[in-house]
Amino acid sequence: GAVVSQHPSRVICKSGTSVKIECRSLDFQATTMFWYRQFPKQSLMLMATSNEGSKATYEQGVEKDKFLINHASLTLSTLTVTSAHPEDSSFYICSASNQFNEQYFGPGTRLTVT
Amino acid sequence: GQQVMQIPQYQHVQEGEDFTTYCNSSTTLSNIQWYKQRPGGHPVFLIQLVKSGEVKKQKRLTFQFGEAKKNSSLHITATQTTDVGTYFCAGPTGTASKLTFGTGTRLQVTL
Repeated sequence: GAVVSQHPSRVICKSGTSVKIECRSLDFQATTMFWYRQFPKQSLMLMATSNEGSKATYEQGVEKDKFLINHASLTLSTLTVTSAHPEDSSFYICSASNQFNEQYFGPGTRLTVT
Repeated sequence: GQQVMQIPQYQHVQEGEDFTTYCNSSTTLSNIQWYKQRPGGHPVFLIQLVKSGEVKKQKRLTFQFGEAKKNSSLHITATQTTDVGTYFCAGPTGTASKLTFGTGTRLQVTL
């Protein structure tokens, strides 16, 4: 399967600061990448679809000004959590889809906001 | 909106027993995908089914797509401790590449 990396794997930040998470597709060009949020023992909740060279498409209820997504190249998408608050603490996972619409996930980033 | 439910939510089996998780969509799906997430890990793509009534096997895992393309199942024969994890089904939503993930079934296997 395809390889997707995500960095950092774990981050602790103070309330009010911003955190940037990088997602890279290492062995194929991904025109579309996805950002999910997952709470403990729950399913994946799609936050937004990241399209290379265009604006991200956000799911209902996800604040685009708070979760900034940039898909600068065919192999890199970034998610910036701006002015983070404790309720933003979660597991954030990105994925890249191939030509068959199969999704390959990064290892995830565990964000803790204190 | 589209909902994808899975049952059971959790199952605990002894090694060697069989296990089945069922996936039901509120809408007809063009395809169904299955993913496995180990504890502390990320989802890993297992398989995609496209045809009505399709059955695919991967070693001890058997995947089935319902005739009406609204449900699917994953059956594991003779579970092993390496099968531990949460199994998610997922179906396309809206645009072809977006997926709605099922609620997941967490499998625990003990010796």
